[in-house]
Amino acid sequence: DGGITQSPKYLFRKEGQNVTLSCEQNLNHDAMYWYRQDPGQGLRLIYYSQIVNDFQKGDIAEGYSVSREKKESFPLTVTSAQKNPTAFYLCASVGRAYQPQHFGDGTRLSIL
Amino acid sequence: GESVGLHLPTLSVQEGDNSIINCAYSNSASDYFIWYKQESGKGPQFIIDIRSNMDKRQGQRVTVLLNKTVKHLSLQIAATQPGDSAVYFCAEEGSSNTGKLIFGQGTTLQVKP
Repeated sequence: DGGITQSPKYLFRKEGQNVTLSCEQNLNHDAMYWYRQDPGQGLRLIYYSQIVNDFQKGDIAEGYSVSREKKESFPLTVTSAQKNPTAFYLCASVGRAYQPQHFGDGTRLSIL
Repeated sequence: GESVGLHLPTLSVQEGDNSIINCAYSNSASDYFIWYKQESGKGPQFIIDIRSNMDKRQGQRVTVLLNKTVKHLSLQIAATQPGDSAVYFCAEEGSSNTGKLIFGQGTTLQVKP
């Protein structure tokens, strides 16, 4: 089955620690996205990548970093500079214009 | 479908009735619109989409209407079922070059048996 796999499902971060969220897709999509979702709110774009080895900041990139070394993978690191990291993180991908983004089932990050 | 703050608008309907979920979008230049359904603890699931050169598009039990004059999008669900209970988001794509989506804040649909 083609799809997007996010891991882990739940993640806990200690103060001062960096944590990395995994996102893997086997849909052969060029573009991948990371969103943050807070309770009762819509999705906000953190970073996106339209091609391997290239990525751009979204609306709320501060305190986050990404890499895109492979087409299938787009990991997100939540750094210690992100002072309010508790949220639901969603990864998505899309193959071409005027197609809907496909989403993974998210990672819920909490602070210990 | 739009709201300010932490409380999502809620639509409560009886099973078997039709549901209409509304969304006001922000960018008059947006040319692609998507409706997603999100169940608790899961990622958004695609329902239906529409391009700006259309006013209406129908799927199985769902219809999307687009009114570009007032920047309004609606999702109609026919014969609503308990499995339709979820949060529904509209999303607009302003530039097909980046694929970036702007999401509304969502509407909670509650279906009463």
